[in-house]
Amino acid sequence: AQSVSQHNHHVILSEAASLELGCNYSYGGTVNLFWYVQYPGQHLQLLLKYFSGDPLVKGIKGFEAEFIKSKFSFNLRKPSVQWSDTAEYFCAAEPSGGSYIPTFGRGTSLIVHP
Amino acid sequence: SAVISQKPSRDICQRGTSLTIQCQVDSQVTMMFWYRQQPGQSLTLIATANQGSEATYESGFVIDKFPISRPNLTFSTLTVSNMSPEDSSIYLCSVGGGRAGELFFGEGSRLTVL
Repeated sequence: AQSVSQHNHHVILSEAASLELGCNYSYGGTVNLFWYVQYPGQHLQLLLKYFSGDPLVKGIKGFEAEFIKSKFSFNLRKPSVQWSDTAEYFCAAEPSGGSYIPTFGRGTSLIVHP
Repeated sequence: SAVISQKPSRDICQRGTSLTIQCQVDSQVTMMFWYRQQPGQSLTLIATANQGSEATYESGFVIDKFPISRPNLTFSTLTVSNMSPEDSSIYLCSVGGGRAGELFFGEGSRLTVL
């Protein structure tokens, strides 16, 4: 069965620090990859997505993620975090051309201190 | 995009009782999904609710425990039956955005079972 692993469950950073959240998926075929974010008191929303093409994808609020097929990874990065980036981040994956229902990782809680 | 409203937003229930969660979408959608998010765990798909047919349940979830209704293209309910403390969780309603894996979520219903 397909699974998604997020290595960091809790991350605490100071403002302006760089961020990298790890995500690995277990599926041998072509996949679609996603990062979702849930800000405190808000609903889950899509941060960025990868379907094909350039493996470096850019999302909202300065976030980017790099798809490395050989490592089955899709890590999320941001060069300089802000206090407003405090949120829960979820990686998700689904087989391309599949059921359009992604499998989610367990999430990473990010706290950014001002 | 889609705007999804869930009710109740939170509830505290007694063991052995049942609770019905409502999900209203501001547009007609073919499929609606119900997820569970247990503390420290990933989002787990419970079932897919299809209008006019029985819901499709994922492994580990059964209709007797989580009956679902889908009377029309904008509304669905999930009932958590005969609750136990292990059912304490956040239950999320979701709809597809028309592209693979892009989901829109409600704000969730936080259920605590005593």
